[in-house]
Amino acid sequence: QSVLTQPPSASGTPGQRVTISCSGNSSNIGSNAVSWYRQLPGTAPKLILYNNGQRPSGVPDRFSGSKSGTSASLAISGLQSEDEADYYCAAWDDSLLGPWVFGGGTRLTVL
Amino acid sequence: QVQLQESGPGLVKPSQTLALTCTVSGDSISSSGYFWSWVRQPAGKGLEWIGRIYFSGAATYNPSLKSRVAISVDTTKNQFSLTLSSVTAADTALYYCAREEYQGGNWFDPWGQGTAVIVSS
Repeated sequence: QSVLTQPPSASGTPGQRVTISCSGNSSNIGSNAVSWYRQLPGTAPKLILYNNGQRPSGVPDRFSGSKSGTSASLAISGLQSEDEADYYCAAWDDSLLGPWVFGGGTRLTVL
Repeated sequence: QVQLQESGPGLVKPSQTLALTCTVSGDSISSSGYFWSWVRQPAGKGLEWIGRIYFSGAATYNPSLKSRVAISVDTTKNQFSLTLSSVTAADTALYYCAREEYQGGNWFDPWGQGTAVIVSS
């Protein structure tokens, strides 16, 4: 069981906006930045957001992130078929569980 | 552009030691502000952080694996390595190496393509 909690699945239609949540506690999300990774089938994870909501170069502004208290969320607007993938959140954890903890992943389906 | 590539045996017998190497290209492993990590993913499951090392040799491990894990660095070869002892079927997974950047917060970028390790007799 993962330390960070994500919904196992999410879905949307092309053009729609979807959000994926990531819930933690005061030792991880509550006191450290969250990063998000996208994993297309059969490939390695790729960074899409860091420091809660900053985008690396090359990641479109359709991807955005936010954090409030011990929860974070990833939003994808203008959903495209190529967004169908697994999404993971991660955060540093200051407790004995750490240092690094991940969410269990959310499989996004584009209907 | 930094690239990471994992290498090592794809099959390890139970109770033996798994050994993998990650070769870094496009940047020096001795660059400040970066850690070098290992992350694994059992088939159909989520990501698990194994540990990380700084170019100085200082390493930090996942508490759940700490008794069996060792990560080392070879700056002359621009490589870092993972050993995991006393493996069982539960250690069967895709193993990724990744660069961990620290600039206020921490994140993993980029990742290697991953290497599959099967623990079986």
